[in-house]
Formats: sequence, structure tokens, C-alpha cells
Amino acid sequence: GQQVQQSPASLVLQEGENAELQCNFSSTATRLQWFYQHPGGRLVSLFYNPSGTKHTGRLTSTTVTNERRSSLHISSSQTTDSGTYFCAIDPDTGYQNFYFGKGTSLTVIP
Amino acid sequence: EAGVTQSPRYAVLQEGQAVSFWCDPISGHDTLYWYQQPRDQGPQLLVYFRDEAVIDNSQLPSDRFSAVRPKGTNSTLKIQSAKQGDTATYLCASRLRTDQDTQYFGPGTRLLVL
Repeated sequence: GQQVQQSPASLVLQEGENAELQCNFSSTATRLQWFYQHPGGRLVSLFYNPSGTKHTGRLTSTTVTNERRSSLHISSSQTTDSGTYFCAIDPDTGYQNFYFGKGTSLTVIP
Repeated sequence: EAGVTQSPRYAVLQEGQAVSFWCDPISGHDTLYWYQQPRDQGPQLLVYFRDEAVIDNSQLPSDRFSAVRPKGTNSTLKIQSAKQGDTATYLCASRLRTDQDTQYFGPGTRLLVL
């Protein structure tokens, strides 16, 4: 089956530091997405990024499909960035059935 | 636009009891998903629907789990005879088949089986 591995499992930053989250996946035929989940909150899509680099605000996602990896860079972290970040792949069956990694738990301290 | 809503938000059961979770997707969304998210894990897809039809329920853990979407709108996920291993948050998500970019998630139902 599809496998998604994320690293690190957890990360603690001082406010203002940068973070780099990694995702490795088992299949090249995938549509990749990054999600964010605030503690106790709902999952929210950050990026749909099957290949290349995308930016939004302080977030940058880079996916290298043929190397089966993606990264999420958070610059100048803020306490409100705390939460869990998930990488998910869709084997492109046409129905968008996601396989999620276990997530990276980010804590930003003031 | 109202988001995906779920109820109840929390449920506590003894082993062997039954429970139903209800999901109201975003109006007009034809595709609906149910996920199970154990504590400190990523969501795991259980079943998904296109309109009222089940597309894939092969990931439902056992015949204790069932899901329906009779009119292609709201959906119910039911667990018969719950076990402690069913303790998790159950998430519902929906999307339009033409929207390839994302799914929209509900707040989830947190289930604790004692």
C-alpha cells in the first residue's frame, strides 16, 4: 500500500526561527497535499503541490516527484504556527483518497 | 458558506455498546469521506461516497463498522459493539468532484471506548 513518512516527529522552536518539515512517499504517481491541524481543531489544507514550489505567506512547499519527497518550510515562526502538520498523498484514482503521514508536531515558544 | 458539521462532538462508551456518528457535508459536495484518526496518528481513510454510492469501503475495520449516505447528502457512520481499539477521532470530509485541490474537513467526533 501507499506509505508516507514524515520527519521530524516533533519540533520545538523559539519564535522567529525557521522550520523545515520533510515528507517521503512511496509512489511517484501521486498528488501531494500538506494539511495543518491545530490542537483540537479541524484539518485545513495548506498546499496542493504535486510538483515544484509554491508559496503562501511565510510557508513554502517544494515537491520533487521523481525523488518521492516534499518539504514544507516555515519562515519566521510564530506561536500561532503551533500544531500538527500532515503530508498526504493521493494515488490519483480520480476520487482523491488520501494516505496521510503521522504528522510533525510543531511547538513555537515565545 | 457553512462548513462540514459533525455530531456528536464527543462520545464515551463501554465496550459492546453501539454508536452512530453523523456528518452534514458542505451543500452541493458530491463526494464524502470518513476517516479514523487514532491519537497522535494521521487520519486513515475508512470509506468514501460519490453521491449515494459507496466507492470504496475496503478500509472499514470490520463488519462492526457500516456507513450510509442514502440521499447523497448527509451520512452516518455506525459502530456496532464498540471495542477499546476503536478509540479515536472520526473525521468527515467533503468536496466537489471537480475540485481536485482539497477536501474540507469537519471538526470530528472524539470517541472513547472504556
